[in-house]
Amino acid sequence: GAVVSQHPSRVICKSGTSVKIECRSLDFQATTMFWYRQFPKQSLMLMATSNEGSKATYEQGVEKDKFLINHASLTLSTLTVTSAHPEDSSFYICSASIGDYGYTFGSGTRLTVV
Amino acid sequence: GDSVTQMEGPVTLSEEAFLTINCTYTATGYPSLFWYVQYPGEGLQLLLKATKADDKGSNKGFEATYRKETTSFHLEKGSVQVSDSAVYFCALRNSNSGYALNFGKGTSLLVTP
Repeated sequence: GAVVSQHPSRVICKSGTSVKIECRSLDFQATTMFWYRQFPKQSLMLMATSNEGSKATYEQGVEKDKFLINHASLTLSTLTVTSAHPEDSSFYICSASIGDYGYTFGSGTRLTVV
Repeated sequence: GDSVTQMEGPVTLSEEAFLTINCTYTATGYPSLFWYVQYPGEGLQLLLKATKADDKGSNKGFEATYRKETTSFHLEKGSVQVSDSAVYFCALRNSNSGYALNFGKGTSLLVTP
């Protein structure tokens, strides 16, 4: 079935540095990718929707200059957290649309900013 | 805006017990409803879905019925197994507000032998 590979699974970075998270679709073409963020004991919050070859659409309250999303190909979407701070520590998950009512998810990235 | 509310966890059950995880939603129009499951260390997987009122989704012994009159989509299983231990997320998709999923907070289930 459709698989999205997300890397890294865990990352610890220093405050002020940038971190890139990759999501690759392994056996299908992901025209639309969704990026979510999950705080402990909270639901997955949609951050942005990206379509291949076009600019991402960010949800209200999400800083587009801080969370850079690139979806330059049908098999790769990246989320870069720029100038990370401790409050950016969270669990980030990507998801690809795979037709009507279908979605496949990456296994998530645990980001810790120290 | 749209929202999903599901019961707080964690839920701890003995093997073969009956499971209910409540889920209610608020949405305009006619959303589609989903249950996703996340096993430890893995990504979310679709468990079942229902796309219109009165539809029943079912998979692996789990069932949920789309009740528009009560805006609910409760998850049930008659006899849980240890292997069902996971986090369960109720979600909706509403074409009125894009095609991303709107999730509840998740309910952690632990089944003990």
